[in-house]
Amino acid sequence: AQTVTQSQPEMSVQEAETVTLSCTYDTSESDYYLFWYKQPPSRQMILVIRQEAYKQQNATENRFSVNFQKAAKSFSLKISDSQLGDAAMYFCAYSPHNTDKLIFGTGTRLQVFP
Amino acid sequence: NAGVMQNPRHLVRRRGQEARLRCSPMKGHSHVYWYRQLPEEGLKFMVYLQKENIIDESGMPKERFSAEFPKEGPSILRIQQVVRGDSAAYFCASSPRGIPYEQYFGPGTRLTVT
Repeated sequence: AQTVTQSQPEMSVQEAETVTLSCTYDTSESDYYLFWYKQPPSRQMILVIRQEAYKQQNATENRFSVNFQKAAKSFSLKISDSQLGDAAMYFCAYSPHNTDKLIFGTGTRLQVFP
Repeated sequence: NAGVMQNPRHLVRRRGQEARLRCSPMKGHSHVYWYRQLPEEGLKFMVYLQKENIIDESGMPKERFSAEFPKEGPSILRIQQVVRGDSAAYFCASSPRGIPYEQYFGPGTRLTVT
């Protein structure tokens, strides 16, 4: 079965510092997509960053970047220069290339302290 | 361009009643996905629909749950004879085509069963 594991239920970071959220997944597929979603208290799901498995280069979106290790099936999210507005639940998600559904992890709650 | 709309945002039902959750996709989107988020958990895929067709309902409970996406109007997720275990946040996402990385999420409907 395809699963996504987020082993850190909670993380905290000081404002302006860097934090890394971990995610591992289990699949036998070779082609797939990986995502990080942010869910603030409003509960709106916001796409933070995505990675296609066939691309070796790690995706980057402003202060957000990923460390994609395909052989290790690891997909961590690094948030640089953390801001108070980054405080939220962060969900890692996986989708095989030929399907239509997202498989989510259980989430990591990120707190940002001033 | 308005985002994905869901209504109601909050719905309270007594055990045994019916719940109807509505989702209006973004303009130009003909693919709709429903996900359920139980408290303190990640989102779980329920069903994927295109206009007038159910494409994948592998995540739908076998009884009491149904979904439709008519030619005109919003997509409806219907839960008959609700039980306390149905209390959750239900999210709808839409896409211009069936590709996971283009899913845009609505704000969710929080269903409470008393």
